Amino acid sequence: GQNIDQPTEMTATEGAIVQINCTYQTSGFNGLFWYQQHAGEAPTFLSYNVLDGLEEKGRFSSFLSRSKGYSYLLLKELQMKDSASYLCAPLDSNYQLIWGAGTKLIIKP
Amino acid sequence: IAGITQAPTSQILAAGRRMTLRCTQDMRHNAMYWYRQDLGLGLRLIHYSNTAGTTGKGEVPDGYSVSRANTDDFPLTLASAVPSQTSVYFCASSDSTSGELFFGEGSRLTVL
Repeated sequence: GQNIDQPTEMTATEGAIVQINCTYQTSGFNGLFWYQQHAGEAPTFLSYNVLDGLEEKGRFSSFLSRSKGYSYLLLKELQMKDSASYLCAPLDSNYQLIWGAGTKLIIKP
Repeated sequence: IAGITQAPTSQILAAGRRMTLRCTQDMRHNAMYWYRQDLGLGLRLIHYSNTAGTTGKGEVPDGYSVSRANTDDFPLTLASAVPSQTSVYFCASSDSTSGELFFGEGSRLTVL
């Protein structure tokens, strides 16, 4: 079956760095997305990885290892507005996104 | 402003009633999707459409139907609502080439 595993909740301090891990098992693989979702709002696109390695975009970076079925999202210089849920979503062989339940990130001053 | 519009944003509905959630996009995306999101669960795909005139079943299609008469519109209908359909519903679209999804603001539905 298809499965996504990410921590349910994480807490970090403003200005610090946090890494949100995601492991996945899918039928085929065509890349992996990370989305951010603030409470009561729609998910918004953060990053997309299709090849192994690190993709950096400002304060956010995303890493992928296809052989390990593993990805992480790295957030630097945390701000209070980064308090949100972060959704890991690999794309399967049918180009359908498989969604994890998300990691709720709480930022404390 | 280009994007996806959903209506209504919120609705309370009596069990057994018929309800249609509307979704319109102006980005000319081929693919459109309906998801439901429940606390503690990931987004679950209800139905999808890869192009106008075609639809497909997702992970949780029972009790729901969709149509795709044109590129822009993708309504979701609950023929006879049940309390287990209480959820937040998101419509999304993608241009298929990138796979990136663009979401509407969501429709919060409560079935009593």
